[in-house]
Amino acid sequence: DTGVSQDPRHKITKRGQNVTFRCDPISEHNRLYWYRQTLGQGPEFLTYFQNEAQLEKSRLLSDRFSAERPKGSFSTLEIQRTEQGDSAMYLCASSRASNTGELFFGEGSRLTVL
Amino acid sequence: QKEVEQNSGPLSVPEGAIASLNCTYSDRGSQSFFWYRQYSGKSPELIMSIYSNGDKEDGRFTAQLNKASQYVSLLIRDSQPSDSATYLCAVKSGGSYIPTFGRGTSLIVHP
Repeated sequence: DTGVSQDPRHKITKRGQNVTFRCDPISEHNRLYWYRQTLGQGPEFLTYFQNEAQLEKSRLLSDRFSAERPKGSFSTLEIQRTEQGDSAMYLCASSRASNTGELFFGEGSRLTVL
Repeated sequence: QKEVEQNSGPLSVPEGAIASLNCTYSDRGSQSFFWYRQYSGKSPELIMSIYSNGDKEDGRFTAQLNKASQYVSLLIRDSQPSDSATYLCAVKSGGSYIPTFGRGTSLIVHP
């Protein structure tokens, strides 16, 4: 399978704990995106990488959220001091170098904060 | 703020009918338009992209774009129960790398 893979698929944590999600994009894609989706809403942009450079972050991304993409390959999204409002599906997507905007999504990481 | 508007539905159509899904957007600089399908509990999957005014057909799907009216639509001909899903409209401006998504329209195709 050469699609976008995300890990873990499900995470249940207690409020105040830290969580980290990993995304492995399609190998030839140099653009990587993180989105968040809650029930009944569309994906909401969080952050974007081109190779290892984080080029854009949403104003909605509080300082409790941090993302990295070392060496321009996989990416991690860490949420510190989780809050119940962080409960959502965290979607990773990748795209080709040509800026068509066509995204290929992973299966997502569902976070539940108790 | 760039906005993408969709009626959340649900839109219910009988099997074999044409389903028409609509999307409007606020940013006149938008240049790329996408339709994604999302089954319940799954992630979005790209089904159509359109970049110029007019119609683009792919099998049973037709995307229609009218930039003057800031309107994009998706027609699904001969709808099947397997088409039942949420359809997300996404829009990207020329100077951005970030597609903005609407909230999606739920489509139900009943036998």
